[in-house]
Amino acid sequence: QSVLTQPPSVSAAPGQKITISCSGSNSNIGNNYVSWYQQLPGTAPKLLIYENKKRPSGIPDRFSGSKSGTSATLGITGLQTGDEADYYCGTWDSSLSAVFGGGTKLTVL
Amino acid sequence: EVQLVESGGGLVQSGGSLRLSCAASGFTFSNYVMHWVRQAPGKGLEYVSAISSNGGSTYYANFVKGRFTISRDNSENTLYLQMGSLRAEDMAVYYCARSPRTTRTFDYWGQGTLVTVSS
Repeated sequence: QSVLTQPPSVSAAPGQKITISCSGSNSNIGNNYVSWYQQLPGTAPKLLIYENKKRPSGIPDRFSGSKSGTSATLGITGLQTGDEADYYCGTWDSSLSAVFGGGTKLTVL
Repeated sequence: EVQLVESGGGLVQSGGSLRLSCAASGFTFSNYVMHWVRQAPGKGLEYVSAISSNGGSTYYANFVKGRFTISRDNSENTLYLQMGSLRAEDMAVYYCARSPRTTRTFDYWGQGTLVTVSS
């Protein structure tokens, strides 16, 4: 049982837009920045979004993040088959531990 | 180019020990907080442990406290995780990850090393 709640899966056609939600509480998301990670099949996680909405160098602006209260959202526009991956939200809690969502599997039909 | 390369994983019997290493390059290792995050087969990410840049402070998740020890050798640019009293539920891919200096996230991850615990 993960601390943060994400939908198990989401799917859409190439070119479409999706959003992935991440729900937490005041002890984690409510008082900390949220990050999003992309894990392509068989690879390590990769940082996509940090500080709720910032993108590291090299991450295209098709990826966006937002946060409101105790929830956060990852958005992906112009879906490509190469975006098929597991996506994880992550933040920190009051005990100084990092916490993650259970992951959302994105299928590009 | 920042690189993190884990090693030391393998098959170990329940109750046994293993030491994981993470060799860092492409950045000034001694300036960064480092972490271990694990992922059981087919499961999500789980935070294990962290160590401050000079090694003076450590953090452990409750489920590994007293069994695992995180350490680092800044002269060798290497992070370690000494794992003991291993259990079936410790079986996972173990990733080392770096935190950037200015914010709390994991900006670089290693490729992971698989720990298999047999009963």
